[in-house]
Amino acid sequence: QTVVTQESSFSVSPGGTVTLTCGLSSGSVSSTNFPSWYRQTPGQAPRTLIYSTNIRSSGVPDRFSGSLLGNKAALTITGAQADDESVYYCVLYMGSGISVFGGGTKLTVL
Amino acid sequence: QLQLQESGPGLVQPSETLSLTCAVSGGSITTVTYYWGWIRQPPGKGLEWIGTISSSGTPYYNPSLKSRVTISLDTSNNQFSLKLSSVTAADTAVYYCARQPHYHDSGTLKHEGFDYWGQGTLVTVSS
Repeated sequence: QTVVTQESSFSVSPGGTVTLTCGLSSGSVSSTNFPSWYRQTPGQAPRTLIYSTNIRSSGVPDRFSGSLLGNKAALTITGAQADDESVYYCVLYMGSGISVFGGGTKLTVL
Repeated sequence: QLQLQESGPGLVQPSETLSLTCAVSGGSITTVTYYWGWIRQPPGKGLEWIGTISSSGTPYYNPSLKSRVTISLDTSNNQFSLKLSSVTAADTAVYYCARQPHYHDSGTLKHEGFDYWGQGTLVTVSS
């Protein structure tokens, strides 16, 4: 069973930069996994931030960026703001119609 | 503007079948560039992909749920549905439907994650 790994929690200072990662329990993440990133606040549906590794969804500010970093996908937030406090999820496409969510990273801005 | 809306019973008895529908407005579920997915989130936990169906009706399921899940299209009503059989308390969750752009462009596969989501509906499994 494929497991997608994310940091369970992370903290960043206001105005700072943070990079969250998304890996595989076995193997490397590549562009053919089409990594996508979502943020979710309590009681709300997830909101799409990034898809296909590094393409920002409509209306997403450019301080959110996606990339491949080593053998993982990465989401970098620059100039962190208080309302960036959310849980961030990545999703990897494993082929044959199958998608797998990571466990989510709870980001604290303090 | 595309909108997705989940509907179905909020309470299901253990061992019975959970049935949900996702009504799509502002776009057709038969558009070939899109797949349609179901995702769930148990209270206080993370998101889990349940399954996806292509615009032509081919389903793909999470291997851990495959024996209990059926996803189908209702093209006449522009909606798609989820059935999960033999439910237990562990199936209590908020269930979301979402659109997945998935297509080939000049022979290259393009897959764009989940771009539009429904608001979610809480289903509780309890007697």
